[in-house]
Amino acid sequence: EAGVTQFPSHSVIEKGQTVTLRCDPISGHDNLYWYRRVMGKEIKFLLHFVKESKQDESGMPNNRFLAERTGGTYSTLKVQPAELEDSGVYFCASSLDRERGNTIYFGEGSWLTVV
Amino acid sequence: KNQVEQSPQSLIILEGKNCTLQCNYTVSPFSNLRWYKQDTGRGPVSLTIMTFSENTKSNGRYTATLDADTKQSSLHITASQLSDSASYICVVSASRDGNNRLAFGKGNQVVVIP
Repeated sequence: EAGVTQFPSHSVIEKGQTVTLRCDPISGHDNLYWYRRVMGKEIKFLLHFVKESKQDESGMPNNRFLAERTGGTYSTLKVQPAELEDSGVYFCASSLDRERGNTIYFGEGSWLTVV
Repeated sequence: KNQVEQSPQSLIILEGKNCTLQCNYTVSPFSNLRWYKQDTGRGPVSLTIMTFSENTKSNGRYTATLDADTKQSSLHITASQLSDSASYICVVSASRDGNNRLAFGKGNQVVVIP
């Protein structure tokens, strides 16, 4: 069974440009999460989808970040325009349900560098 | 201040030796606590999940403990192997407004040397 896949694995863009990160969750997982880790900090929550609906987007840093999950399958996270402080690793994760004790599976991450 | 604090930040151990990693948290209301292993350049991989009523859980050479009263957890690695070199992240889940929000520690960086 394929795990959570993310694309691109690495991206280097200039300040002011746009980047779109894609995440394909494990098939059948209704819950999809986006997290971010910036250098030297802990991983932090960005948002949570249940199917195509945004369940919790309180972790999104500002309106330059837009996440979508059309059709409840894959998700995209767009950063527009990118700023230097957006550099970091963006992790996508998915889980089968939200019950206590469910396993959350992470992708390998999309490493974003804004120069 | 982070809601999940891990110590030591990093450690080096000899292959075959044991080590214990610590995690203290202030997350509330508590739902569950997870330990993840993250190899360099890879995504986190789940090792254990413990709920309030569980105080010990093992996964091979990894044994996690939980004291929900003192809000402390530990991860014990037995007979370490070179492949155990990684960052070990303590993750605590809080249940709030119907959402399970994860709070991450910065990780314990473990290096196993031959």
